Amino acid sequence: DVQLVESGGGLVQPGGSLRLSCAASGFTFSKYWMHWVRQTPGKGLEWVSRIQNDESITNYADSVKGRFTISRDNAKNTLYLQMNSLRGEDTAVYYCVRGAAAGTPPWLDPWGQGILVTVSS
Amino acid sequence: DIQMTQSPSSLSASVGDRVTITCRASQTIGAYLNWYQQKPGKAPKVLIYTASNLQSGVPSRFSGSGSGTDFSLTINSLQPEDFATYYCQQSYSTPLTFGGGTKVEMK
Repeated sequence: DVQLVESGGGLVQPGGSLRLSCAASGFTFSKYWMHWVRQTPGKGLEWVSRIQNDESITNYADSVKGRFTISRDNAKNTLYLQMNSLRGEDTAVYYCVRGAAAGTPPWLDPWGQGILVTVSS
Repeated sequence: DIQMTQSPSSLSASVGDRVTITCRASQTIGAYLNWYQQKPGKAPKVLIYTASNLQSGVPSRFSGSGSGTDFSLTINSLQPEDFATYYCQQSYSTPLTFGGGTKVEMK
């Protein structure tokens, strides 16, 4: 079974940093785009960032550009999100999501269980 | 950025009803439109991809249609397990964007 397990969330003060990790299993990680999507408590979904399978392309939402960095280690089947200069509006559940690979639809599937990041003093 | 506008934001329906949710893109996105279902406390799951293709394992009472800027998700004969929130999402260009969601509640 495909599994995505996030870790590294928690409470951080405004201006602080946090690194999220996502351990992937059950599929050939190195073939897939990977994404981070967040959801504010009680609100909708916001795409955060994506990274191509070979790390050659990364994209970010304007709301996090310059503060967040997505990366991956294909040898460890792990996706990362380094979050710096955190703000209250970054408080959300962060999901690790598998994207497309060659020959697959341009969807986001599956999603990890999500991890809560709370930015507060 | 491509804005995705979903309507309604919520609806009340009964088991057995036919429900239709619409999603409009602010510019043409071809068929690069996916639909997701989210239940409370759970991650979203894809139901429909590229506008009209049913994800494996999803009941056939779910269907999607549309292209360009206007899309719809239809649930025929609503079942108890279908009460959830539904989101559309465009995969045409970054930033990927989602609709605001439609909460389907029991009447």
